[in-house]
Amino acid sequence: GAGVSQSPSNKVTEKGKDVELRCDPISGHTALYWYRQRLGQGLEFLIYFQGNSAPDKSGLPSDRFSAERTGESVSTLTIQRTQQEDSAVYLCASSLGRPSSYEQYFGPGTRLTVT
Amino acid sequence: KNQVEQSPQSLIILEGKNCTLQCNYTVSPFSNLRWYKQDTGRGPVSLTIMTFSENTKSNGRYTATLDADTKQSSLHITASQLSDSASYICVVSARGTNAGKSTFGDGTTLTVKP
Repeated sequence: GAGVSQSPSNKVTEKGKDVELRCDPISGHTALYWYRQRLGQGLEFLIYFQGNSAPDKSGLPSDRFSAERTGESVSTLTIQRTQQEDSAVYLCASSLGRPSSYEQYFGPGTRLTVT
Repeated sequence: KNQVEQSPQSLIILEGKNCTLQCNYTVSPFSNLRWYKQDTGRGPVSLTIMTFSENTKSNGRYTATLDADTKQSSLHITASQLSDSASYICVVSARGTNAGKSTFGDGTTLTVKP
């Protein structure tokens, strides 16, 4: 079946602009995650959605970052007033449930470049 | 604080040779440990998963080991191929109140040369 998809695959934006990144999880997956991966570095947790529970936003680096998820489907990550330090690959993953029990399946990522 | 440390940071080997990647963690209470392979420009893909009671798991030429007492894991790659060139990421998940998040290592970048 279809995997996790993300759009756009690449985004170049000017400093100060807002951007929206989209993630379509695998159908039926109740859990959805956003990660940030800077060049040459590991994955940095941003936010976690699990079903209808309140999302875990503990990884969001500032109030310029926000994310929403419609039910158990599409999610959007919004970065307001982008800064050059926001340049990174943003990865989305989904799973049937918590990672303590279920594997996370990753999308191909969105490469964001802030000029 | 939950941490996952991987070594070496990078590794270059010749095609056909074997190699072993290391992962040390302090995540508690432990639930499982996964090794992921991330090709350049792609999302990570799971290779193996190990729970507390398992000490070895194989997936083709990949063999993972886990010592839950010393909190160490290794990923052994046998008869390496050019396509094994990638970043290998160790990911540890916790039980209980921290079950919603995993802790990721920074990865080991493996380059296989002909």
